[in-house]
This record gives sequence, structure tokens and C-alpha cells, in this order.
Amino acid sequence: ETGVTQTPRHLVMGMTNKKSLKCEQHLGHNAMYWYKQSAKKPLELMFVYNFKEQTENNSVPSRSSPECPNSSHLFLHLHTLQPEDSALYLCASSQDPPDPEKLFFGSGTQLSVL
Amino acid sequence: GENVEQHPSTLSVQEGDSAVIKCTYSDSASNYFPWYKQELGKGPQLIIDIRSNVGEKKDQRIAVTLNKTAKHFSLHITETQPEDSAVYFCAANSYGQNFVFGPGTRLSVLP
Repeated sequence: ETGVTQTPRHLVMGMTNKKSLKCEQHLGHNAMYWYKQSAKKPLELMFVYNFKEQTENNSVPSRSSPECPNSSHLFLHLHTLQPEDSALYLCASSQDPPDPEKLFFGSGTQLSVL
Repeated sequence: GENVEQHPSTLSVQEGDSAVIKCTYSDSASNYFPWYKQELGKGPQLIIDIRSNVGEKKDQRIAVTLNKTAKHFSLHITETQPEDSAVYFCAANSYGQNFVFGPGTRLSVLP
């Protein structure tokens, strides 16, 4: 384990379902991230939270919405998804800048939208 | 904004040979360059990183070199082993900016 835990590991959803992805970090970091990893594409940054406040939202469709109740937990709520939302969703954490710091990833949730 | 390119996209080497993966970046303000290894079914794992005030860093069989003038950095793996087979990502970032990742290199080490 890297210190960043994601659940579930796998998820199959119909387009009308609602589900949430969960991430927990045990590293004492204060920044958390959601990335989307699709086949043959670079890692796409979706959301960033610093000290529980959202600081980045990279034009992600509203069918994916994040929640960060505290600096150790991060959720991604999913609803009315499309097939193109099928991907590996990765959570990561880091210590807040000023200096660039190491980014630690969880194992991801493999999402399949039917 | 920053743009990171990575080559090659796939690389096959014989066990025991060396492997080199190269990345270029566009933003001269970038000052931190990590490399991640992603095995099947797992998230990316940091394997080595380098900051812009250093030209080379080595950790056992892996090393990273940085050429700030040319804005490129490379990952070197010597004496490759089958367990080195994975997808490798480079990244770049600087103060106040988020990480920008390269598209990845799939390395296969053939026994």
C-alpha cells in the first residue's frame, strides 16, 4: 500500500446509476487530487483540493462531482454517466506547495459504464 | 502552460540490457521532474525524481538525467529485469502549478 487507499477497486455502472468513489490518505498530506486515466491518453487532472478547498476544476462535466469533507478523505460522486466515462480513476495526495512535492497515488478504481 | 512529451511510446529490450526513456518539457519555470512506474492493475508509483538544481541522480539500477538548457530529462534503467516491465510516466511541475504528465512508455523486458 502506498498510503493512499481507494475503494472500490472495480465498478460497473449503468448510465442511470449513482455511485461514489472513495479515497483516503494516511500520509498527513493536505492536498488531494482526482485524475482520470483513459486508454491511450495522458493522465487527466480533474480536481484538486488544498486544505479541503477546491482549487482546481478542469472543466469536468457535472456528472462527476467531488467532495472533500476533510484533508484525509476525498469522494467522487458519479451519476448519469456516459460510456466515455469508463476509465481508471486515480486519487493522489501531496503536501501543499510552496515547493513541488512528491505526489502519491492510490491503486485506482476501474470504472466501466455500460 | 506546460507541455510534456515522452518517447518512445513502447520499448522492448532483452533482459540485462539498458532502457532509456526521454521526455521534453516546454515551460522553463518547471523545476521538479518525477518518474512514475505503473504496473498492471496498480496506480503509478514514484520511482525517482530530480530537481532543477541537479543534473543527475541515481538509485541502484535507475538514474535520471536533466538538461535544463535543452529542456529534456531521461530515465535510464540498467541491467533490466522482467519485473521492470510496466508503463513509465514522466512529469514536470513548478511552484504553484499542478503536475503535467507525459503520455507514458510501455516497457517490455524480454527474458
